[in-house]
Amino acid sequence: GENVEQHPSTLSVQEGDSAVIKCTYSDSASNYFPWYKQELGKGSQLIIDIRSNVGEKKDQRIAVTLNKTAKHFSLHITETQPEDSAVYFCAASEGGSYIPTFGRGTSLIVHP
Amino acid sequence: GAVVSQHPSWVICKSGTSVKIECRSLDFQATTMFWYRQFPKQSLMLMATSNEGSKATYEQGVEKDKFLINHASLTLSTLTVTSAHPEDSSFYICSAPHQGGGGYEQYFGPGTRLTVT
Repeated sequence: GENVEQHPSTLSVQEGDSAVIKCTYSDSASNYFPWYKQELGKGSQLIIDIRSNVGEKKDQRIAVTLNKTAKHFSLHITETQPEDSAVYFCAASEGGSYIPTFGRGTSLIVHP
Repeated sequence: GAVVSQHPSWVICKSGTSVKIECRSLDFQATTMFWYRQFPKQSLMLMATSNEGSKATYEQGVEKDKFLINHASLTLSTLTVTSAHPEDSSFYICSAPHQGGGGYEQYFGPGTRLTVT
């Protein structure tokens, strides 16, 4: 089955800095890579996703890159704000099967 | 966008009692829903796949007699934790897939925090 590794487990940055979270996956059949943001005591919210037919996707301050050859994908947050503080999960799933395998999460702390 | 709700948001129960958690897709139909469990500072672990009109599919190690799942309609799945014990205390989250422009995406409920005393 799929195995998703996520690093770092904790990331602390100053407001305005950039934050990068990296994930690797093992199953070359995976072709859908969503990122979820989970705030304290709440469920997870999809913030951005990327499919294997593109290498990069951007939505305002958030971007995701995908390298299918190396089997890794990354989340980039620019101009971080305190409200970006949360736990971020990456995931990977195979086409036709939409059950994602999650990474272990990254706790992002943005200091004002 | 698609919205998934859960009820209750938090519940405290005594050891030995049963607790029912509801998961609803508010503006779309979901023939499949997923139930996850999350321990503090850990990732979401898939417990079972809930299928409308048929039996749920449980992941290895999840006791089907303890975590009863019923998917009675296209918008509602329920998870009942039977004979709850303190070790069942956790954050339970459901999700439902909904087809967007590029394919299926998972929409998560806000979660239910269960505390068993």
